[in-house]
Amino acid sequence: AQSVTQLDSHVSVSEGTPVLLRCNYSSSYSPSLFWYVQHPNKGLQLLLKYTSAATLVKGINGFEAEFKKSETSFHLTKPSAHMSDAAEYFCVVTLLNQAGTALIFGKGTTLSVSS
Amino acid sequence: KAGVTQTPRYLIKTRGQQVTLSCSPISGHRSVSWYQQTPGQGLQFLFEYFSETQRNKGNFPGRFSGRQFSNSRSEMNVSTLELGDSALYLCASSLVQTNRGGEQFFGPGTRLTVL
Repeated sequence: AQSVTQLDSHVSVSEGTPVLLRCNYSSSYSPSLFWYVQHPNKGLQLLLKYTSAATLVKGINGFEAEFKKSETSFHLTKPSAHMSDAAEYFCVVTLLNQAGTALIFGKGTTLSVSS
Repeated sequence: KAGVTQTPRYLIKTRGQQVTLSCSPISGHRSVSWYQQTPGQGLQFLFEYFSETQRNKGNFPGRFSGRQFSNSRSEMNVSTLELGDSALYLCASSLVQTNRGGEQFFGPGTRLTVL
């Protein structure tokens, strides 16, 4: 069965320091993986996606993620945090079942950025 | 291009009532998916519609149903409301079905409170 685990429920960084949000997945086939961001009172926005092309995926706002099959990980990084990055981040994997395909969301990681 | 719109944005109902939520996808998008977001369970997939047909369904009771119209607008209905149905209901639209790797664009959600 497919699943996704976000290893930290809350990450706090200072502005200008690197960001690392960790995600491990479980899938019996080559999955599609995504990172979404949700700002307060705003809809979910796609940051980046991996669909079996390059293992290092670049997204919007300076974020990137590396797909590591051997470690079943898809960690999200950013070299320098900005105050506007404070939000909730979701790692997402595609679930394939008899009925079709759906997105399975991790529990989320809240990123706090201090000045 | 206008984004995904959901109406109403906020709704208060009492136990036992039923409710209908509406979602208008981005123009040209034919896939609409629905999700429930709660603090305890996180984001959970409800169902996906494509070309007026339900293509996939999550693990929710039959009280949760939906439909899609020929203009791709979708409605979600919850009958016999329970306190646990209080949640943010998110709608997402995509050009193609999820199993084709289509990027999903999310609406702002409808906040349902059941008293």
